Amino acid sequence: SAVISQKPSRDICQRGTSLTIQCQVDSQVTMMFWYRQQPGQSLTLIATANQGSEATYESGFVIDKFPISRPNLTFSTLTVSNMSPEDSSIYLCSVEDWRNEQFFGPGTRLTVL
Amino acid sequence: QKEVEQNSGPLSVPEGAIASLNCTYSDRVSQSFFWYRQYSGKSPELIMSIYSNGDKEDGRFTAQLNKASQYVSLLIRDSQPSDSATYLCAVNDYGQNFVFGPGTRLSVLP
Repeated sequence: SAVISQKPSRDICQRGTSLTIQCQVDSQVTMMFWYRQQPGQSLTLIATANQGSEATYESGFVIDKFPISRPNLTFSTLTVSNMSPEDSSIYLCSVEDWRNEQFFGPGTRLTVL
Repeated sequence: QKEVEQNSGPLSVPEGAIASLNCTYSDRVSQSFFWYRQYSGKSPELIMSIYSNGDKEDGRFTAQLNKASQYVSLLIRDSQPSDSATYLCAVNDYGQNFVFGPGTRLSVLP
């Protein structure tokens, strides 16, 4: 399976600021996804990061709040904008292989004060 | 709206016993089924995928799929304390997004 890294691994941010999370894969992949996992909860899909076009957002998530870039087949960024304490969560990127299996990066633990 | 349901647990089993984790899903056209293990503070790790009715074994793990009854289960034989984690069931249609269940917390008691 692909090796996925994320930066930063954790951060503590002030209300009203923005944080950009990077996801790097060691091989080219077509499908990349961004998830949020709030404390004690399961995974919620934020969006599918599409290479060369706008991301596809799930219900309840909007581009102004979570802008996503996907400049090539190995890299994506997720920005959490104008943060509030409710954005405190773990943010995970994942990739999907040809067998329809998804593999996750190590996650970014975000705390908003 | 697809739904995936799991008992939240905690499910406690003694070391060496068989742990049985269950998952039901609402969408009859679902084609792919996955079990992930997530240790506290870590990201989910894929442990099993199953696509056809029946059993699939991998070491101490067996996934069982019954599409007619819309359930998928995971058996862990000879449970070890290191198996203590949250187990997430995920369901997918080809070309559609994954839907994850809420997870079952497993505790294996030494």
